[in-house]
Amino acid sequence: SYVLTQPPSVSVAPGKTARITCGGNNIGSKSLHWYQQKPGQAPVLVIYYDSDRPSGIPERYSGSNSGNTATLTISRVEAGDEADYYCQVWDTTSDHYIFGTGTKVTVL
Amino acid sequence: EVQLVQSGAEVKKPGESLKISCQGSGYSFTRYWIGWVRQMPGKGLEWMAIIYPGDSDTRYSPSFQGQVSISADKSITTAYLQWSSLKASDTAMYYCVRRGMDILTGVFDYWGQGTLVTVSS
Repeated sequence: SYVLTQPPSVSVAPGKTARITCGGNNIGSKSLHWYQQKPGQAPVLVIYYDSDRPSGIPERYSGSNSGNTATLTISRVEAGDEADYYCQVWDTTSDHYIFGTGTKVTVL
Repeated sequence: EVQLVQSGAEVKKPGESLKISCQGSGYSFTRYWIGWVRQMPGKGLEWMAIIYPGDSDTRYSPSFQGQVSISADKSITTAYLQWSSLKASDTAMYYCVRRGMDILTGVFDYWGQGTLVTVSS
């Protein structure tokens, strides 16, 4: 089955840039989505179709997807960005939905 | 405004049955797939199952096939997740999700608030 691998944690200072990777076999050929989950809350979609932002998501959030790695970039990081982040794809071969292992972003 | 409103927290004993619900509003319920995602305590997200309320077509993750049953009642715009015999390992938060309209991408664009299920003797 298809596997998405994320680093368990990323630490970043306020005002700096956080980059969260999501690795998968030929992931660049799939449509990749990112979700943010703050403690005690339901996940929220922050990036869809590799790099599009839903209404209400700050421009500081951006995404890219190529080859075997997708990346979520958070610019000018704020304390409120501290959360768990999950990547996700729809594997059309199996018709299954796959989540990454999740990355905890800590703002120093 | 699109909303997915889930039923409240449940405390059950092993071996008991359970059905949790998710009511959709603010959109055409029969035209979007709606599914369930599990999050065990301190763990990540796992897709479980999905249903198309328009014709009740369903898909299951291999990890959950035979363990749960998904259904929907379009007359009351509600989706369900059901267990016939709970185990302690079913203790988790369960989220319902709406799949976006684009058939090529499989994005979950809206999430319910979550239903906490606790199974303990």
